[in-house]
Amino acid sequence: TQLLEQSPQFLSIQEGENLTVYCNSSSVFSSLQWYRQEPGEGPVLLVTVVTGGEVKKLKRLTFQFGDARKDSSLHITAAQPGDTGLYLCAGPPNAGGTSYGKLTFGQGTILTVHP
Amino acid sequence: GEEVAQTPKHLVRGEGQKAKLYCAPIKGHSYVFWYQQVLKNEFKFLISFQNENVFDETGMPKERFSAKCLPNSPCSLEIQATKLEDSAVYFCASSRLDGGSRSSPLHFGNGTRLTVT
Repeated sequence: TQLLEQSPQFLSIQEGENLTVYCNSSSVFSSLQWYRQEPGEGPVLLVTVVTGGEVKKLKRLTFQFGDARKDSSLHITAAQPGDTGLYLCAGPPNAGGTSYGKLTFGQGTILTVHP
Repeated sequence: GEEVAQTPKHLVRGEGQKAKLYCAPIKGHSYVFWYQQVLKNEFKFLISFQNENVFDETGMPKERFSAKCLPNSPCSLEIQATKLEDSAVYFCASSRLDGGSRSSPLHFGNGTRLTVT
């Protein structure tokens, strides 16, 4: 069974601070996705990383996929209250022929950014 | 539609009662997925469909859970004889192709919160 461990589980910071969320596994993933979920809503995909060592930027968010494709990180620069939410990493199974929509999710990181 | 539509938003059932949840995928999306989000935000895959055919049901509790995606109807997830531990938010997601890839991401609905009392 592929597991994804996210840390930290909770993060409470002031507006303007930087933060990093980690997503680690002992298994290799063909790709990893990062989602953001707000209360009462479903997760919304932020990014998919596919290549080991890949770095993707989305405005103030920077996503990295580890060289060995076992870990990923999300870094937010100068956090804003609008960044508040639940951040989830997720990855598809590796075995051939199985559904790529059958995602394994991390436990999530609840981020609160105070004004 | 342009969004995955889930109904109802909230559902309260007494233990032992039946619960039925509905999902209308985005038009043109061939794949539908059901996930259960329980305490501590844990997401659990339940079942997926390719059009009206079951694609992967390895996450479905066999005894009380069933799901369908019939042509020209919303997909449904039914729980017979609900138990307290079924209390969760149930999310439906759809994708154009077999999701989880950059070219065909999952689009989630806003979920149905089921409370079993």
